[in-house]
Amino acid sequence: EVQLVQSGAEVKKPGESLKISCKASGYTFTDYWIGWVRQVPGKGLEWMGLVYPGDSQTTYSPSFQGQVTISADKSTGIAYLQWNTLKASDTAIYFCARGDSVQYWGQGTLVSVSS
Amino acid sequence: FVVTQSPTSLPVTLGQPASLSCRSNESVIHTDGNSYLNWYQQRPGQSPRRLIYKISNRDSGVPDRFSGSGSGTDFTLKINRVEAEDLGVYYCMQGTHWPPMYTFGPGTKLEI
Repeated sequence: EVQLVQSGAEVKKPGESLKISCKASGYTFTDYWIGWVRQVPGKGLEWMGLVYPGDSQTTYSPSFQGQVTISADKSTGIAYLQWNTLKASDTAIYFCARGDSVQYWGQGTLVSVSS
Repeated sequence: FVVTQSPTSLPVTLGQPASLSCRSNESVIHTDGNSYLNWYQQRPGQSPRRLIYKISNRDSGVPDRFSGSGSGTDFTLKINRVEAEDLGVYYCMQGTHWPPMYTFGPGTKLEI
């Protein structure tokens, strides 16, 4: 059974850094792209970018290029989404999802950024 | 690549049909002959759930009151008889122009 299990909710201050995770199981991690989707409270779904764990290749939506870093550790089967400098506007729920047919989703991680 | 959905909000009556529209600004027909257009349901407080893939294929466990149709740039999700558990937001998503990226529509909120 394919499962994507995300790390827990985070409360941070503007300017802080953060790395959230998504642990994959039930399939060969290095065979599929895995990505991150942002959902601002009350708003729609936006693809941020994806990583191919087989060779660490990444692709980002233009809106998120340079704002976040997406990575994967093929030894542990974990994908990451990282910010170096958080802003209040980063407050959102972040979902990981497996690429190809985009059938499998994590449960979401709420990130709250406030002074 | 732009995906639009209409209406933004769809008031429904339980037991009655509902029809949701999705349009893309470019054809979603891939060079491999497939059309990678999915529909998702998101209930409040939950992760999105895929209902339909490649325009008209229902996922396992999805009730047969849900059906997808369309081709090229125009697509429809139909619910035969709306039930209370169907309330939420529905998104279409194209995967044909991946890479570099998938694209969601803005969503249609199904509400009473």
